[in-house]
Amino acid sequence: DAGVIQSPRHEVTEMGQEVTLRCKPISGHDYLFWYRQTMMRGLELLIYFNNNVPIDDSGMPEDRFSAKMPNASFSTLKIQPSEPRDSAVYFCASSLGRGDNYNEQFFGPGTRLTVL
Amino acid sequence: GNSVTQMEGPVTLSEEAFLTINCTYTATGYPSLFWYVQYPGEGLQLLLKATKADDKGSNKGFEATYRKETTSFHLEKGSVQVSDSAVYFCALGDRRSGDDKIIFGKGTRLHILP
Repeated sequence: DAGVIQSPRHEVTEMGQEVTLRCKPISGHDYLFWYRQTMMRGLELLIYFNNNVPIDDSGMPEDRFSAKMPNASFSTLKIQPSEPRDSAVYFCASSLGRGDNYNEQFFGPGTRLTVL
Repeated sequence: GNSVTQMEGPVTLSEEAFLTINCTYTATGYPSLFWYVQYPGEGLQLLLKATKADDKGSNKGFEATYRKETTSFHLEKGSVQVSDSAVYFCALGDRRSGDDKIIFGKGTRLHILP
């Protein structure tokens, strides 16, 4: 398996622009998680899905952020409009959600977002 | 609620030194415990895990034992290498309480000097 795939790996944009981050989870995994990592705040859980349904979005910072999972193999995290304080590395992770490996999460390589 | 506390870094050691990174947890149920590692420029990857009390997880020379009596899961390695330089995260998952998430510690940055 190719693991969790994220695109783009790097994104540089200007304040006010829309940014879309993409994630393909591991095939057969029921859970998908979006995280944000910064030096100041560390690793933060933004939202997670179970079987394509959003379960907990309490970590989404504000209405400028939205996430969707239209099918089991694709999810997007959108920021509109983007602001410099959104600059961070955004990770997607997936987990099987069954059996002994219930909670074990597999992370993608991340998208480094810079908002100028 | 559930939580994880790990020692703050950075930790700086010489090559071949003994490593301990402390981790303690608070949980209402019977959690699984994990250590994740993040190498520079990469995502987190699972290093080792333990699913019940007294289990020992091990991988790449690292070990951690699930101690219920002290609510701890300390990471150890007998002889570190420069290539072990990374950020290490202790984490907890408690499926039996219905929690689908993993609770991560704040991470400990490890520098190994040649």
